[in-house]
Amino acid sequence: DGGITQSPKYLFRKEGQNVTLSCEQNLNHDAMYWYRQDPGQGLRLIYYSQIVNDFQKGDIAEGYSVSREKKESFPLTVTSAQKNPTAFYLCASSGQGGTGELFFGEGSRLTVL
Amino acid sequence: AQSVSQHNHHVILSEAASLELGCNYSYGGTVNLFWYVQYPGQHLQLLLKYFSGDPLVKGIKGFEAEFIKSKFSFNLRKPSVQWSDTAEYFCAVNAQTSYDKVIFGPGTSLSVIP
Repeated sequence: DGGITQSPKYLFRKEGQNVTLSCEQNLNHDAMYWYRQDPGQGLRLIYYSQIVNDFQKGDIAEGYSVSREKKESFPLTVTSAQKNPTAFYLCASSGQGGTGELFFGEGSRLTVL
Repeated sequence: AQSVSQHNHHVILSEAASLELGCNYSYGGTVNLFWYVQYPGQHLQLLLKYFSGDPLVKGIKGFEAEFIKSKFSFNLRKPSVQWSDTAEYFCAVNAQTSYDKVIFGPGTSLSVIP
């Protein structure tokens, strides 16, 4: 089935450690996105990418990094510089033409101990 | 910069009551508008969308939304809610000149009491 796969579903890390969240899509979509979801704040855009080897910062990019080496993959690294990393992270993709209609993965919940 | 606001943080309704969730956006140009829903334990999915044409759009499960350009609003409605509509609802917007940046509102949590 076509879709977006995020892994891991749950992740625990100690303070000061970097962690990478995986996002893979087999929808042949050009654009991919990372959002952070916190209660009462909705979804906030971290990074997005329109094509391979290109990406743009969203509204809350500080403390995060991404890469887009393949069309299918858009991993997100939560670095130790992110001051409040405990959150639910959502990856999404959007098809060619960019209507803005997003398809989401099931999310990754990161907890920093 | 684009932004989206939603009028209610948490709404509680009895089954068969009517629903209206408010959404306003700030952007002066032409936009695409969306409502997404997140049922408990499930991933976000599209409820309905507006790109152009008839400002009254219909989505899945009996939901509809009306785009009022003069008010920068895109309110979601349903005449009679069911317990299964309990979910988090998010309004989203993207500018048609910037297709790839989609901005979400803070969400409204709907609880329907049987």
